Amino acid sequence: GDSVTQMEGPVTLSEEAFLTINCTYTATGYPSLFWYVQYPGEGLQLLLKATKADDKGSNKGFEATYRKETTSFHLEKGSVQVSDSAVYFCALKGSGGYNKLIFGAGTRLAVHP
Amino acid sequence: DTAVSQTPKYLVTQMGNDKSIKCEQNLGHDTMYWYKQDSKKFLKIMFSYNNKELIINETVPNRFSPKSPDKAHLNLHINSLELGDSAVYFCASTSARLYSNQPQHFGDGTRLSIL
Repeated sequence: GDSVTQMEGPVTLSEEAFLTINCTYTATGYPSLFWYVQYPGEGLQLLLKATKADDKGSNKGFEATYRKETTSFHLEKGSVQVSDSAVYFCALKGSGGYNKLIFGAGTRLAVHP
Repeated sequence: DTAVSQTPKYLVTQMGNDKSIKCEQNLGHDTMYWYKQDSKKFLKIMFSYNNKELIINETVPNRFSPKSPDKAHLNLHINSLELGDSAVYFCASTSARLYSNQPQHFGDGTRLSIL
């Protein structure tokens, strides 16, 4: 079945450092890919998405490119801030029906001043 | 003007009790979901309703029973609570028709703790 694998956390960075969180997926057909962010004590918020190969999703300085050849959707940010500290989830929606999201295990990011 | 709201936010109860969690969305969406997030933050879908019709029912114990009185509400009733039910339960909704790529909007979660 469909699945998502994320790099294990926690990821600890200093402010203004470069961030990469790796995400790879297994799916049949042409899934849509998402990054969600969960701040402490809150629900999940959509960060960005890409619906077809070579699409780049971007939001709040974060970017991810849908790479079908490597089945990857790595999240990047050039300069992280303390306020980016959160848990980041990579997710896919399969090309079948019902809009069911399959989530990765989540990666906790801690940014220190 | 909360988009997806869940009540209660925290629920602490004894093993063996029956409890309900409520979810309401004011986004006009027609599809709603329940997810369970365990202590390691792993998220897994449990149920989904589209226009009050059950469309996703993952392998969940039948002690869990979702109910959708209308397309803006999806409640989750849990019978005979067990220690392993301790988790954060998230409600979500989307305007998606079955094959759309619209994102899901999540509530803030209900933290259920079983004593």
